[in-house]
Amino acid sequence: SQQGEEDPQALSIQEGENATMNCSYKTSINNLQWYRQNSGRGLVHLILIRSNEREKHSGRLRVTLDTSKKSSSLLITASRAADTASYFCATDTAGGFKTIFGAGTRLFVKA
Amino acid sequence: EAQVTQNPRYLITVTGKKLTVTCSQNMNHEYMSWYRQDPGLGLRQIYYSMNVEVTDKGDVPEGYKVSRKEKRNFPLILESPSPNQTSLYFCASSFRQGAGEQYFGPGTRLTVT
Repeated sequence: SQQGEEDPQALSIQEGENATMNCSYKTSINNLQWYRQNSGRGLVHLILIRSNEREKHSGRLRVTLDTSKKSSSLLITASRAADTASYFCATDTAGGFKTIFGAGTRLFVKA
Repeated sequence: EAQVTQNPRYLITVTGKKLTVTCSQNMNHEYMSWYRQDPGLGLRQIYYSMNVEVTDKGDVPEGYKVSRKEKRNFPLILESPSPNQTSLYFCASSFRQGAGEQYFGPGTRLTVT
């Protein structure tokens, strides 16, 4: 079953613009994470936000979490061509052992 | 270098021929997991292991087996592969007792004809 659903499915922006991706989930969670994947390669962990946190920053990344709406957003500021990749949200459930990924957002940043 | 390794990276096989995809991590992580990735479906968890000799099913365990006899290794076994198991497979590990921040291997692209 797919818990995380992301939108948009694809996003195309110019270098320097901000990119926002959204993720919704269905059941209660321990934490939510965002990952990045370049073209069929292994995923790279970007940021983890716990269920009792509302916002977290890491460099040009800003993640928010609204547990009442079961949703999260990832903002990439001042995007670069190198940010072109697929971005996935993932939630940990079942006592924190089971992970469910969303279908991902494909981001294309034009130079 | 801290890493998760998978072998083989690419495999083409025929229906019914048993195969094993190996996964090894050198970070002394307790948690390990297998995922498959199919176009438009994101990653789906096959099995996970919280520690040595402790494994449990993910969302799509049918047709797969795993074992965790040592902390560093978590092989994925397909006893009788079928074409619907053609996919990109990822192994991952985490230092947390639960899942949390996971480190992913480079992936194994499997084609079953």
